[in-house]
Amino acid sequence: GDSVTQMEGPVTLSEEAFLTINCTYTATGYPSLFWYVQYPGEGLQLLLKATKADDKGSNKGFEATYRKETTSFHLEKGSVQVSDSAVYFCALTLNTGTASKLTFGTGTRLQVTL
Amino acid sequence: NAGVTQTPKFQVLKTGQSMTLQCAQDMNHEYMSWYRQDPGMGLRLIHYSVGAGITDQGEVPNGYNVSRSTTEDFPLRLLSAAPSQTSVYFCASSPLNSGGGSYEQYFGPGTRLTVT
Repeated sequence: GDSVTQMEGPVTLSEEAFLTINCTYTATGYPSLFWYVQYPGEGLQLLLKATKADDKGSNKGFEATYRKETTSFHLEKGSVQVSDSAVYFCALTLNTGTASKLTFGTGTRLQVTL
Repeated sequence: NAGVTQTPKFQVLKTGQSMTLQCAQDMNHEYMSWYRQDPGMGLRLIHYSVGAGITDQGEVPNGYNVSRSTTEDFPLRLLSAAPSQTSVYFCASSPLNSGGGSYEQYFGPGTRLTVT
């Protein structure tokens, strides 16, 4: 079945450090890929997405490129801030049918310190 | 614009009790779904609906029932609560996927359920 694998956390960085959170996927078709972020005590919110190979999603300084050849969608940010501390989820949905069922990775907790 | 709302925020049940988690959205979204979030397991789909009167099972449906009588509401019922259902539950909604791309799903703030 479809699955998403994320790097284990927690990831602890100092402010202004470079961030990479790895995400790889397995899917039977051609998925759309997402990064969702969950701040403490809140629900998930979409951070960025890419719907086809070589697309780059970007938002709030975060970027991720849909790499079909390596089945990856790694999240990067050049300079993290304390306010980026959260749990980050990689997810996919298949572009078939009308139901956008999301398959999530296990999440990666990011802690940014001063 | 309230988005997706969930009630209650917190709930403690005893084993065997039943309850309904409420979810409502005001964005006229056809697609609604329920997920549970457990440590180390990410979010897993319980049930989903593509419109009023239409529901289907997700990855972990056992012990849960849903119905969709209106576009706005999608309640989740626990028939006989078990400690294994201790979790955080999220409701989400989105437009239907029109093919060739996928819409953002909007999540509610969650319900933290403890079953003792």
